[in-house]
Amino acid sequence: AQKVTQAQTEISVVEKEDVTLDCVYETRDTTYYLFWYKQPPSGELVFLIRRNSFDEQNEISGRYSWNFQKSTSSFNFTITASQVVDSAVYFCALSEKFEAAGYKLTFGGGTRVLVKP
Amino acid sequence: GAGVSQSPSNKVTEKGKDVELRCDPISGHTALYWYRQSLGQGLEFLIYFQGNSAPDKSGLPSDRFSAERTGGSVSTLTIQRTQQEDSAVYLCASGGREGYETQYFGPGTRLLVL
Repeated sequence: AQKVTQAQTEISVVEKEDVTLDCVYETRDTTYYLFWYKQPPSGELVFLIRRNSFDEQNEISGRYSWNFQKSTSSFNFTITASQVVDSAVYFCALSEKFEAAGYKLTFGGGTRVLVKP
Repeated sequence: GAGVSQSPSNKVTEKGKDVELRCDPISGHTALYWYRQSLGQGLEFLIYFQGNSAPDKSGLPSDRFSAERTGGSVSTLTIQRTQQEDSAVYLCASGGREGYETQYFGPGTRLLVL
């Protein structure tokens, strides 16, 4: 069975500090996809990034960056120069293929990020 | 609207009553998913539809839960004889034809069973 672990339950930082969220996953699939979603206080899950298992290149998108390391089954996410609006719960998710064409997501427990002004 | 919509946004019901939750996926998306978010269980998969194909019901917690998808678009999740442990936020997501595509979530329906 697939599993996603987010060991950090809550992180509190002061505005402009960097925040790194840890994610460790377990899967037997050779092809899989990893995601980060953000859930602000409004409750809606907002897609942030997706990475497939064949591409370990780490990228930066604006203030977001991620570090995918297949050897350690980790997919960490960093917010640079945090802002108050970044306060939310962040979920790491792993796709799991069905017999049909679809993929269901297995989510980690989430990390609550609180950015103080 | 361009996003996934769900209704109602909030639902309060009495134990034993049936409830129906509705999801309108993003136009053109063939895949539709239902998830449940509760304090004790986190985010868990319930059911998956791809187009007009038979759904994958592997995540449904009991036979009190069922879902339909009419015309490959709108979906309704029905919970019969609700129990207090059914209280949760029910999230719908839709995605493209390719199974690996990103799932986009709606705002959810917050269900409270008294």
